[in-house]
Amino acid sequence: SQKIEQNSEALNIQEGKTATLTCNYTNYSPAYLQWYRQDPGRGPVFLLLIRENEKEKRKERLKVTFDTTLKQSLFHITASQPADSATYLCALFSGSARQLTFGSGTQLTVLP
Amino acid sequence: EAGVTQFPSHSVIEKGQTVTLRCDPISGHDNLYWYRRVMGKEIKFLLHFVKESKQDESGMPNNRFLAERTGGTYSTLKVQPAELEDSGVYFCASSQVKRGARTPEAFFGQGTRLTVV
Repeated sequence: SQKIEQNSEALNIQEGKTATLTCNYTNYSPAYLQWYRQDPGRGPVFLLLIRENEKEKRKERLKVTFDTTLKQSLFHITASQPADSATYLCALFSGSARQLTFGSGTQLTVLP
Repeated sequence: EAGVTQFPSHSVIEKGQTVTLRCDPISGHDNLYWYRRVMGKEIKFLLHFVKESKQDESGMPNNRFLAERTGGTYSTLKVQPAELEDSGVYFCASSQVKRGARTPEAFFGQGTRLTVV
C-alpha cells in the first residue's frame, strides 16, 4: 500500500545548527513533492516544491533534495532559529490522482 | 489580498446533529480542496472542486458528507448526521494554475476544529 513516513514525530536541535527532516515514501510515483510548515491552530503554509526531475531546490535558509531512486526527500533548515519551531509536513502529488497526500509531520523545536 | 478563510473556527455538536462548514477561497482560485485531520493522523484529502464542478471526491468518507460550491466561489461541507469519528480539523485549500506553471501551490485556511460529543 502507499505510505509516506517522516523520520520522527519530534526533533529538537540547538539554535544555529542545521535541522534535517526526512520524508520517505513507498508505492508512489510522485510528480512532485512539497514541504509545508504548520503552526498550532493554523493551516499548513507552503514552503517549497521540488519536481521529480529536480535533485535540489533552495530558498533562503531552506534546502530540499529529492531522490526518486531512494524514494526520499530531505528538508534542511540552516542556521536554525527558535522562530523555525513548528511542525513540518511533506506532501506528494501524483499526476494520476491530482491530489496532495501528506505525511504525519515532524515537530521541530529549536532551542535557544 | 485575503487568504483562504474558514467558518467557524470551532464547532462542538452532539452526535446526530448537522454541521455545515464554510470555506471562502482566495478570489480567482478555481481549485478548491477539502482535507481533514483526525487526532493523531495525517491530513487526508476529501475532495477537489474545479470551479463549481467536483473533480474528485474519492476521499469523502461516506454519504453523510456533502460538499457544494455554488457558482464556483465559496464552498460548504455539510455533515449530516454527525458521528463521533467525524471529529477532527477540517482544512480548506485553494490554488490557481498560473500560465506556464504546471504544479500550483496550495493555500490553506486555518481550519475548522469539529468536535462531536
